[in-house]
Amino acid sequence: GQQLNQSPQSMFIQEGEDVSMNCTSSSIFNTWLWYKQEPGEGPVLLIALYKAGELTSNGRLTAQFGITRKDSFLNISASIPSDVGIYFCAGQSWETSYDKVIFGPGTSLSVIP
Amino acid sequence: ETGVTQSPTHLIKTRGQQVTLRCSSQSGHNTVSWYQQALGQGPQFIFQYYREEENGRGNFPPRFSGLQFPNYSSELNVNALELDDSALYLCASTPAGGKESEQFFGPGTRLTVL
Repeated sequence: GQQLNQSPQSMFIQEGEDVSMNCTSSSIFNTWLWYKQEPGEGPVLLIALYKAGELTSNGRLTAQFGITRKDSFLNISASIPSDVGIYFCAGQSWETSYDKVIFGPGTSLSVIP
Repeated sequence: ETGVTQSPTHLIKTRGQQVTLRCSSQSGHNTVSWYQQALGQGPQFIFQYYREEENGRGNFPPRFSGLQFPNYSSELNVNALELDDSALYLCASTPAGGKESEQFFGPGTRLTVL
């Protein structure tokens, strides 16, 4: 079935550094989503991407929808302590008639002040 | 703006028991999806309800069932609990007329099966 891979699995960075993480799949997706989850909370949508090649920013976050439709990346610039959390990519395809969203296993981000 | 609430926050059950988890979304959110998130993993889709009808199901056995009510609340029921059912259960709702993939998640219910 459809599966997403995320790398790296975890990251430890200094405050102020830039962060890059990516998500790949063997299947094509029509929508790519990036979520952040903090302890004790549900995932919060950061960025949604709807077209191959699309590059979208949300403050210090930038995400791109890969041309092949099989990958996406998320960059965070000038990291701050509140960026700590688990970042999930998620994909949705039109193969299903309902809004089934497949999540990756997550990238855990730790920011050292 | 999420406004999605779930109850209870934590729950402990024993193997073989049954459990009902509840979710309340905002007025106008007519689609609700339930996810299971095991420790250290991403959420896995259980099923989705649209206007009180099941609209799609993931790879979960029939002992996982659900209901959606006209007042925008919903339930997830799990029968014959197994140890592997221990997880965080998340519900997510989508506003009517909104982008279908942009779901708002609740904080989850942490279920522990002993």
